Amino acid sequence: GQSLEQPSEVTAVEGAIVQINCTYQTSGFYGLSWYQQHDGGAPTFLSYNALDGLEETGRFSSFLSRSDSYGYLLLQELQMKDSASYFCAVSPPGGTALIFGKGTTLSVSS
Amino acid sequence: DSGVTQTPKHLITATGQRVTLRCSPRSGDLSVYWYQQSLDQGLQFLIQYYNGEERAKGNILERFSAQQFPDLHSELNLSSLELGDSALYFCASSGGKGNTEAFFGQGTRLTVV
Repeated sequence: GQSLEQPSEVTAVEGAIVQINCTYQTSGFYGLSWYQQHDGGAPTFLSYNALDGLEETGRFSSFLSRSDSYGYLLLQELQMKDSASYFCAVSPPGGTALIFGKGTTLSVSS
Repeated sequence: DSGVTQTPKHLITATGQRVTLRCSPRSGDLSVYWYQQSLDQGLQFLIQYYNGEERAKGNILERFSAQQFPDLHSELNLSSLELGDSALYFCASSGGKGNTEAFFGQGTRLTVV
C-alpha cells in the first residue's frame, strides 16, 4: 500500500519562501504530484516529478528523492492568495488513481 | 474551469436516504475517479472507472456504488445514508488509465441530517 505524511499546518508571511515536505511509504509509484486546494474548492494540479530532482514552474518548485522516499514543494515570493491546502500524491503502479496525503494548510499573512 | 462538471453542488438529505451524484468528465477523458473529502481530511479514493469498466476500488463502502455510462459520464450512488457520510465528494478525470494529472470537478457537498 501507500501512505504519505505531510505537516498539517505551515505559516509564513508575504514575500517569504516556504517548503512543504512529503515523506512516503509505497511499494512503487510512477511519480509524485502536488495539488492546491482553496477552501471548499476543487484541487488543482501544480507539479509532477517522475524523476529525482527539481522541477520548476514559476514561483513553485517541486523536488523528489526516491532514495530518501521524500519530496517537497517550494513556494517562493509568497502571496496572500497562496493561502490554501497543499496535497502531495503518488501515482501507483498499474495506472490507477492518485493516492493523496492528508494535506498541509498554508496560511500566508501580511 | 477544469472541464469536469459535477451536479448537484449541494445536497441535503436525511439519514437512511439514497442519493445520486453525477459527473461529466473532460471531453475525451476516459478515466473517472471518485474521491471523498471529510472535514479536515485528505482526499480518500473511492473508485475508478476507465472507459465504462471498473478499474480500481479504494475505501468505498458497500452502501456506495458507481457506474460509468457509454457517454463516459459517471454516477455515484450513496444509500442508507448516515451522518458520517456528510462530506465533499469530488469527481476527477484524466486522459489515460491513470495519468499523472487529474482534473477535478467543483464537488458535491453532501449534508446528511
